[in-house]
Amino acid sequence: SQQGEEDPQALSIQEGENATMNCSYKTSINNLQWYRQNSGRGLVHLILIRSNEREKHSGRLRVTLDTSKKSSSLLITASRAADTASYFCATWGTYKYIFGTGTRLKVLA
Amino acid sequence: NAGVTQTPKFRVLKTGQSMTLLCAQDMNHEYMYWYRQDPGMGLRLIHYSVGEGTTAKGEVPDGYNVSRLKKQNFLLGLESAAPSQTSVYFCASSSRDLPRTYEQYFGPGTRLTVT
Repeated sequence: SQQGEEDPQALSIQEGENATMNCSYKTSINNLQWYRQNSGRGLVHLILIRSNEREKHSGRLRVTLDTSKKSSSLLITASRAADTASYFCATWGTYKYIFGTGTRLKVLA
Repeated sequence: NAGVTQTPKFRVLKTGQSMTLLCAQDMNHEYMYWYRQDPGMGLRLIHYSVGEGTTAKGEVPDGYNVSRLKKQNFLLGLESAAPSQTSVYFCASSSRDLPRTYEQYFGPGTRLTVT
């Protein structure tokens, strides 16, 4: 079963707009990460947020974590065509991550 | 520094054939992982290794075997391929040292089709 479930499954926005995607998970976590996957490529680590953190920023990325609701959100501000990719959340278990099903983001120029 | 490399990039097998996928990393990482990615399913962990000579089962280990004879290499074997094993396979590695353990580095993937 999938620990993380992203929402929405697909998102299409105009360049310059903000993109928000959400992740829900089922069990207690130590940390949660977001990864990006460009078409036909492997995943690339974006950002990690620990269970005792509520918000974290990295460049145009903002991640929030609500452990009481078992959910996280990833906000990409001022999106660019190059942000077109699939985005996955991953929760950390013993030695390993469990990945969600992903949100496919398309940024239109 | 090549990072994580996978061989081959593409492969077509007939049902019942066997093959081995090779993953190599040059970052001296202790942990290595094999995932499969199917449409709409995200990544699912097949097997993983926390060090040379050790392996463990992930979520979907059936039909696969692995070996970690050298720290830098992690092999995934299919003894008798089935159409259900048609997928894209990703290898990943990470450091044992916190907090870098949490950041996985992925290879480019192997696209396998079983007919």
